[in-house]
Amino acid sequence: DTEVTQTPKHLVMGMTNKKSLKCEQHMGHRAMYWYKQKAKKPPELMFVYSYEKLSINESVPSRFSPECPNSSLLNLHLHALQPEDSALYLCASSQDDLVRGLSYEQYFGPGTRLTVT
Amino acid sequence: AQSVTQLDSQVPVFEEAPVELRCNYSSSVSVYLFWYVQYPNQGLQLLLKYLSGSTLVKGINGFEAEFNKSQTSFHLRKPSVHISDTAEYFCAVSKVRGWAGAQKLVFGQGTRLTINP
Repeated sequence: DTEVTQTPKHLVMGMTNKKSLKCEQHMGHRAMYWYKQKAKKPPELMFVYSYEKLSINESVPSRFSPECPNSSLLNLHLHALQPEDSALYLCASSQDDLVRGLSYEQYFGPGTRLTVT
Repeated sequence: AQSVTQLDSQVPVFEEAPVELRCNYSSSVSVYLFWYVQYPNQGLQLLLKYLSGSTLVKGINGFEAEFNKSQTSFHLRKPSVHISDTAEYFCAVSKVRGWAGAQKLVFGQGTRLTINP
């Protein structure tokens, strides 16, 4: 099973709202990722968690706050977003081999389509 | 740093014709190579990957790609396309690392494949 699930599928929020995006995988992967994708563009990396620790933050504004409660779950908390934050938010996971220092292909979820009004 | 160039932003092809989507990369270190497909309003699906070994890689849906180290290319091919292959295709690379920690994928800008009846 190579499934990554994301909820909700669609989200409309105002600029003063607080909401969260959720991502889950049960493949035993220890690396999880958040990407933002605008229309007709490739995904842009936002955050990476490796073994539940934040490994990479690509200078994302603080209105986006990631959280990794356990090895299967990844959340993205949203607060005071701007209309330009409207995009498809993708979660991904990959196997991360600490012993051999290797990381493998990423598996993506279906995404959450976010609209900020 | 790595970079990926997808030479064609759009490729129109007639059904049952062969197709090649071109991908060139730049890197000073060894890389892993991937092709992902994105159907409308969906996440990214892994088509195929090159990690090591044989330079001809077969993937899902009848696609294959050949890794050419001297030309730093990883072109995607299919001998006979179907209407259902209409999608956005992304080439991506990541570094082969000797240490643990999650990988960063570098994407090309994407190629829109349109299959005409």
